[in-house]
Amino acid sequence: EAGVAQSPRYKIIEKRQSVAFWCNPISGHATLYWYQQILGQGPKLLIQFQNNGVVDDSQLPKDRFSAERLKGVDSTLKIQPAKLEDSAVYLCASSLDGRKQFFGPGTRLTVL
Amino acid sequence: KQEVTQIPAALSVPEGENLVLNCSFTDSAIYNLQWFRQDPGKGLTSLLLIQSSQREQTSGRLNASLDKSSGRSTLYIAASQPGDSATYLCAVLSSNTGKLIFGQGTTLQVKP
Repeated sequence: EAGVAQSPRYKIIEKRQSVAFWCNPISGHATLYWYQQILGQGPKLLIQFQNNGVVDDSQLPKDRFSAERLKGVDSTLKIQPAKLEDSAVYLCASSLDGRKQFFGPGTRLTVL
Repeated sequence: KQEVTQIPAALSVPEGENLVLNCSFTDSAIYNLQWFRQDPGKGLTSLLLIQSSQREQTSGRLNASLDKSSGRSTLYIAASQPGDSATYLCAVLSSNTGKLIFGQGTTLQVKP
């Protein structure tokens, strides 16, 4: 069974530029999550989707971050404009029942 | 608000030692607790998941225990190997919010 796929794996941008990350969850998983992991910290939930609807985006900085999940499958997370403090690993996870999450390999973002 | 703490933040041991990683959480209202492994620049790999009604789970050289009443979990690694070097993250799934809350991780180095 294929796992959660993410791309790109690495991205380096200048501050104030925009960037987008893509996630393809495990087939059949209705719930999709985006996490931000700053170096030396545990992952922090940014947004949770149930099918193509948003369940929780309370920790998403909505002035610069946006996310969508069209057709309830793939998802994209966008940052515009990026700040230095956005440098982190962005992890996507999916779940069938909300009780166990499966994580992708992550995208490491460096903002210069 | 659920908080998860992991001690120590870093640990260095010689090959062959048995070791214990600690995790504590402030709210006992949890569905389950998971231990993850994260290699540098990589995503999260689930090692063990303990349901709230369980006391422990074992997989190979790994054993995780859960004491929900005291808000503690331990991950025991037997006969450590250099390949065990990684960051180990503890996470609890809150039964109040449905969110997965992570500790900051313990970075383990096993020296040959």
